[in-house]
Amino acid sequence: GDSVTQMEGPVTLSEEAFLTINCTYTATGYPSLFWYVQYPGEGLQLLLKATKADDKGSNKGFEATYRKETTSFHLEKGSVQVSDSAVYFCALYTGNQFYFGTGTSLTVIP
Amino acid sequence: EAGVTQSPTHLIKTRGQQATLRCSPISGHTSVYWYQQALGLGLQFLLWYDEGEERNRGNFPPRFSGRQFPNYSSELNVNALELEDSALYLCASSWGDRGWSREQFFGPGTRLTVL
Repeated sequence: GDSVTQMEGPVTLSEEAFLTINCTYTATGYPSLFWYVQYPGEGLQLLLKATKADDKGSNKGFEATYRKETTSFHLEKGSVQVSDSAVYFCALYTGNQFYFGTGTSLTVIP
Repeated sequence: EAGVTQSPTHLIKTRGQQATLRCSPISGHTSVYWYQQALGLGLQFLLWYDEGEERNRGNFPPRFSGRQFPNYSSELNVNALELEDSALYLCASSWGDRGWSREQFFGPGTRLTVL
């Protein structure tokens, strides 16, 4: 069935380090892909999205490219900040249902 | 613009009781989604309502049910509560059918504790 597999955490990085959080998916057809972020004490909010193959979503310095050939949507940021500390969720929409990954906790230390 | 609101914030029940959780979507949104966020399991899709009708449901037993009202607000009911139902229940809303985008806006959640 359809699913999302997300890199397990927790991830701890120093400020200004490069971030990659891996996300791969299984789905038929042409799903839409999302990254959501949950900052401490706050609700989930959309970080970025891509609705078709080769689209690149970007926001707040984060990027992810919809790769249909590798069924992936990895989240990247070139230089993380302490304020990026949060839990990140990869999500898939198949037209019928949303599927979320288990979340990856990121802690950025000064 | 007000965001998605949920009530109550916290709910404590005992095994066998029923719980009712409420959600008000963002004005103009017609779709409401319910998720269960249990520790270590990420978000598990529960139910999706659109224009008052159930569009889809996740792999949960029938004692999880809900409805959507004419003003698009929604209720989630959990009957015969079990200890493992303890979790954060999140509600999200989105515009109706606008192709494949369906950006969801999440509420703060209701923390249900079953004793």
